[in-house]
Amino acid sequence: DTEVTQTPKHLVMGMTNKKSLKCEQHMGHRAMYWYKQKAKKPPELMFVYSYEKLSINESVPSRFSPECPNSSLLNLHLHALQPEDSALYLCASSQDEGGVKNIQYFGAGTRLSVL
Amino acid sequence: LAKTTQPISMDSYEGQEVNITCSHNNIATNDYITWYQQFPSQGPRFIIQGYKTKVTNEVASLFIPADRKSSTLSLPRVSLSDTAVYYCLVGEGYGQNFVFGPGTRLSVLP
Repeated sequence: DTEVTQTPKHLVMGMTNKKSLKCEQHMGHRAMYWYKQKAKKPPELMFVYSYEKLSINESVPSRFSPECPNSSLLNLHLHALQPEDSALYLCASSQDEGGVKNIQYFGAGTRLSVL
Repeated sequence: LAKTTQPISMDSYEGQEVNITCSHNNIATNDYITWYQQFPSQGPRFIIQGYKTKVTNEVASLFIPADRKSSTLSLPRVSLSDTAVYYCLVGEGYGQNFVFGPGTRLSVLP
């Protein structure tokens, strides 16, 4: 099973709302990632968790707050977002953060619209 | 961090072989070359990975010359369902080295 499950598939929120995106994998992977993808652009790395600890934050604004409750789950808490934050948010996991043959498995994403 | 260069777009017809070349002049000794496929509104999907020479799996082949400064993804006998964006990534596979370039938008025509 190489499945990464993201919920919800679609989300519409106002700029004052608080919402959360969820990601789950049961492959025993110890590294999990959040990416942001705008239309017709490549995915951009936001955060990396390795063994449930935040290891990389690519200078993401504080209105995005990641959380890794356990090795299978990854959340992205959203608060006071701006319309320009509307995008496809992708979660991925890999066996480990390191390793030259690291392969990432991606979920289908959450399509976020900020009004 | 090895920067990659790919054609922005390619067109092909059903049943043809498609070759997409990626240039990575600054590839490091420890870097692997990995290709992903992405359909609209879906996450990227791993296709193939290699270090040198040739790698083949059930969906594609990857050709890497001896100097490793480029690589070619070969898709045999494409179908309409192969219409997607193809990304070439070069790096050690983790975190800050996992940077997606602009990718190649492949359109397969009937």
